[in-house]
Amino acid sequence: KAGVTQTPRYLIKTRGQQVTLSCSPISGHRSVSWYQQTPGQGLQFLFEYFSETQRNKGNFPGRFSGRQFSNSRSEMNVSTLELGDSALYLCASSLSTGRNSPLHFGNGTRLTVT
Amino acid sequence: QQQVKQSPQSLIVQKGGIPIINCAYENTAFDYFPWYQQFPGKGPALLIAIRPDVSEKKEGRFTISFNKSAKQFSLHIMDSQPGDSATYFCAASTGNQFYFGTGTSLTVIP
Repeated sequence: KAGVTQTPRYLIKTRGQQVTLSCSPISGHRSVSWYQQTPGQGLQFLFEYFSETQRNKGNFPGRFSGRQFSNSRSEMNVSTLELGDSALYLCASSLSTGRNSPLHFGNGTRLTVT
Repeated sequence: QQQVKQSPQSLIVQKGGIPIINCAYENTAFDYFPWYQQFPGKGPALLIAIRPDVSEKKEGRFTISFNKSAKQFSLHIMDSQPGDSATYFCAASTGNQFYFGTGTSLTVIP
């Protein structure tokens, strides 16, 4: 079974621009979560989608948004990029939601904002 | 505010040693505690997990010790190998959301 696929692997953007990251979950997984990983901060939760509905949202500004499509694929958008948005963005999928559904992570999209 | 506090930030051990990574939490609603292993250029992968009704769980060379009263849990790696060199994250979940520690970079010297 193919794992979680994130595209692109690397992105370089300029301050003020916007960016869209894509995530294809493991086949059959209906929940997709997004995390921001930075050195020293670990993984910070952005949001979770299940069956096209946002179930949960972390403490990030409204510039960060996401959506999930009917095939469970998900996109994350960051508008008006700031230097501090440079990070590894990880997508994780799970069969369902909650503690009984372990997270399966993709290899991330490395975003650099200059 | 960091919901799960992880230490140390980095750890270097000799091959065969037993590195120990510690995590602490405050929220008593947490009832699922996984550990993830991340290699450079890869996403985190689930290593082992424990629920608070169990004080210890072993899977191969990896052991989680859980102290519910102290609200602490730790990962022990027996007979560590250079291939175990990676970043390790502890996490805790209420069933609604996962909260991760800040990670421990482990280096096992041959």
